[in-house]
Amino acid sequence: EAGVAQSPRYKIIEKRQSVAFWCNPISGHATLYWYQQILGQGPKLLIQFQNNGVVDDSQLPKDRFSAERLKGVDSTLKIQPAKLEDSAVYLCASSFRVTVGANVLTFGAGSRLTVL
Amino acid sequence: DAKTTQPPSMDCAEGRAANLPCNHSTISGNEYVYWYRQIHSQGPQYIIHGLKNNETNEMASLIITEDRKSSTLILPHATLRDTAVYYCTAGYSTLTFGKGTMLLVSP
Repeated sequence: EAGVAQSPRYKIIEKRQSVAFWCNPISGHATLYWYQQILGQGPKLLIQFQNNGVVDDSQLPKDRFSAERLKGVDSTLKIQPAKLEDSAVYLCASSFRVTVGANVLTFGAGSRLTVL
Repeated sequence: DAKTTQPPSMDCAEGRAANLPCNHSTISGNEYVYWYRQIHSQGPQYIIHGLKNNETNEMASLIITEDRKSSTLILPHATLRDTAVYYCTAGYSTLTFGKGTMLLVSP
């Protein structure tokens, strides 16, 4: 099966500019996640969607970050305006339920953002 | 989600078994334990998961203690390609990742 697709793979912008990342999950996966991974750290959950509804966005900096998942398939993560500390890899993942209570995540390759 | 604790780094000789420990003492009864690994410049890759019983698949074995407060991921015959950061996480639908264990497999 095709994996989780993300674009762009790399993006360099200046602070205060805006950027958008796109994710296409595995077909049939109802749950979609956006994680932020800063160099040397583990992935940090930004937002989790179940179909096109938000399950958890408690760690999303809502003053500058926004995400949407129209029609419960593709998703877009936007940052506006970007700050230097937003430099990170943005990982998209989708999941299916293997058994009750167990969800296996499949990650995309990530989008690396550098803010200058 | 349960908080997990892992050693920051481990070494293993090629061909030997790699045993990676994880402490998840705050795990609740219905939370699964998951292991993922991340090779440089790639997204994390799922390895294995379990609830109470030990589990084995083509990649690894997972040993969970009877009290479920800790687990061990076993790579039975480590290869150079197993060099990666290994994440242990536990949760229900939302997974939180720590810094993981950097496993270095040497010739």
